[in-house]
Amino acid sequence: AIRMTQSPSSFSASTGDRVTITCRASQGISSYLAWYQQKPGKAPKLLIYAASTLQSGVPSRFSGSGSGTDFTLTISCLQSEDFATYYCQQYYSYPSFGPGTKVDIK
Amino acid sequence: QVQLQESGPGLVKPSETLSLTCAVSGYSISSGYYWGWIRQPPGKGLEWIGSIYHSGSTYYNPSLKSRVTISVDTSKNQFSLKLSSVTAADTAVYYCARLVVITSFFDYWGQGTLVTVSS
Repeated sequence: AIRMTQSPSSFSASTGDRVTITCRASQGISSYLAWYQQKPGKAPKLLIYAASTLQSGVPSRFSGSGSGTDFTLTISCLQSEDFATYYCQQYYSYPSFGPGTKVDIK
Repeated sequence: QVQLQESGPGLVKPSETLSLTCAVSGYSISSGYYWGWIRQPPGKGLEWIGSIYHSGSTYYNPSLKSRVTISVDTSKNQFSLKLSSVTAADTAVYYCARLVVITSFFDYWGQGTLVTVSS
């Protein structure tokens, strides 16, 4: 099984900040990585797939990079609606998710 | 617009079988894509349960495989989950979702339904 880790597990930020979340796979997964945003009581929302491809309708302030074992999600200018929990997911083998990174208001 | 809606009992007794259905609208299951189930225990992360194609071919999480059955009913445009011998550890919000291929990311999700395992 491919294990996914994320760092940090949580952090506080302010509107307008540039934020970066890291995801690491226990083995190489090429670019088979997706990022999701989840708000309380809601289903996850797909933001990025294939490590860096923005899902249709997702604002361009979101970007993803990486390949192999190390990946990042960057929000270039944090907006109020971006305070949420973010999950990475690999699909190189059967799908597995990272534990999540909660971004809250400073 | 593709929409998915989970339905089923919100309370299941320990050792019994959890049964959920996901109704799909805005897209015909028979046209393609894969369809899956994911769960999230309260306050915890996401776990993929399994996926199915309209032909009926399935792919299960090895950790749950012995207890999981996913089936599809193309005439009703829906697919279903059965999880047997449930315990309190199976208490979670259960989501249905669409996948592009058998092992893939999930591009459309249902709103989720909370299933509590308790006597």
